Amino acid sequence: EVQLVESGGGLVKPGGSLRLSCAASGFTFSSYSMNWVRQAPGKGLEWVSSISSSSSYIYYADSVKGRFTISRDNAKNSLYLQMNSLRAEDTAVYYCARMDVELRPDYWGQGTLVTVSS
Amino acid sequence: SYELTQPSSVSVSPGQTARITCSGDVLAKKYARWFQQKPGQAPVLVIYKDSERPSGIPERFSGSSSGTTVTLTISGAQVEDEADYYCYSAADNNPVFGGGTKLTVL
Repeated sequence: EVQLVESGGGLVKPGGSLRLSCAASGFTFSSYSMNWVRQAPGKGLEWVSSISSSSSYIYYADSVKGRFTISRDNAKNSLYLQMNSLRAEDTAVYYCARMDVELRPDYWGQGTLVTVSS
Repeated sequence: SYELTQPSSVSVSPGQTARITCSGDVLAKKYARWFQQKPGQAPVLVIYKDSERPSGIPERFSGSSSGTTVTLTISGAQVEDEADYYCYSAADNNPVFGGGTKLTVL
């Protein structure tokens, strides 16, 4: 069974930093590209970043480019999102999602809440 | 960047057919997916490649495509189908979600 478990969310002040983690199990993590997707309170889904299986290809939404860094450790079956220079508008539930053979999201974790507030 | 447009809400009575549309230029050249999201839960994939249904998804869920519009159809909607539904597509390394449609079944 595919399982994705996010952690690392919390309350942070504007301008601060946070590192999210996503622990994967139930599939060969090193063979799949991965996504981060976020959802602001009461709002829709917004793609944040993607990383290929070997980290060769990395993409970011314009809204986070230059502030967020996606990475992965295939030996630890883990995906990360380093978030710097956080803003109030980054407040959201952050989901990690596996990308299937079509490079589209299929399985999602339960998410971790990031709140940026003074 | 691409945009996908969905109605904000759709309402049906139990047993009726619910149809949710998603429109965008990218859909003329790329497949769409549909995700179901219930309150406090993660999204669940219900349709991929415009009309394919993952294993475990009830047969009442179906998808279709015509030009720049895709449609999610729930035939004989049940109360448990009440949720937010998001369409999704991607082109040129630009993934995009529709704004979401709240389906009410009552």
